[in-house]
Amino acid sequence: NAGVTQTPKFQVLKTGQSMTLQCAQDMNHNSMYWYRQDPGMGLRLIYYSASEGTTDKGEVPNGYNVSRLNKREFSLRLESAAPSQTSVYFCASASGPASGLYEQYFGPGTRLTVT
Amino acid sequence: KNQVEQSPQSLIILEGKNCTLQCNYTVSPFSNLRWYKQDTGRGPVSLTIMTFSENTKSNGRYTATLDADTKQSSLHITASQLSDSASYICVVSPRGSTLGRLYFGRGTQLTVWP
Repeated sequence: NAGVTQTPKFQVLKTGQSMTLQCAQDMNHNSMYWYRQDPGMGLRLIYYSASEGTTDKGEVPNGYNVSRLNKREFSLRLESAAPSQTSVYFCASASGPASGLYEQYFGPGTRLTVT
Repeated sequence: KNQVEQSPQSLIILEGKNCTLQCNYTVSPFSNLRWYKQDTGRGPVSLTIMTFSENTKSNGRYTATLDADTKQSSLHITASQLSDSASYICVVSPRGSTLGRLYFGRGTQLTVWP
């Protein structure tokens, strides 16, 4: 039982390049999330998926797209990377919505630098 | 505006000592409040989750308190250990949210010295 896994762990991109961050969970969770964490700021929600086939924008969705490929996998795509997207990205999963008492389990993070 | 404020921003204590971290929030209506521990270079890990009707919840040496009337919470760490060195994040979930929205504080960076 690996929990939530993310790939890659580190990535350096040049401005304008594209890439996809991968996330997978093996806990049969319905809800999955993508967050970004910047120095001195709290985690901010980028996108959320309540179930397979559904996605919703979070607080900071601009410049990102997501795909809930199946119940296990939730990917985050940067189509044209910008220096402002330099951050640590966390994927999380939970059995149910955040408004319920469902614990969110976080992955180890992807450290992305855009030059 | 929904906000979560934590204090202090950072704290240094000696091993074996107790400490208390504070969280004030303006999120309303309120569903639940969570405390997470985040070790350097890792994802956050849940310590406690409390609903508005709960006043106290413990997880080993960690005890969280909640006063929903004053919108304040605290996390008390007893007999600190070196492994307690981490960022502690207060997180509030609004009631009725269909977007999975959580409001994260900026965290308190705790350092425990031997």
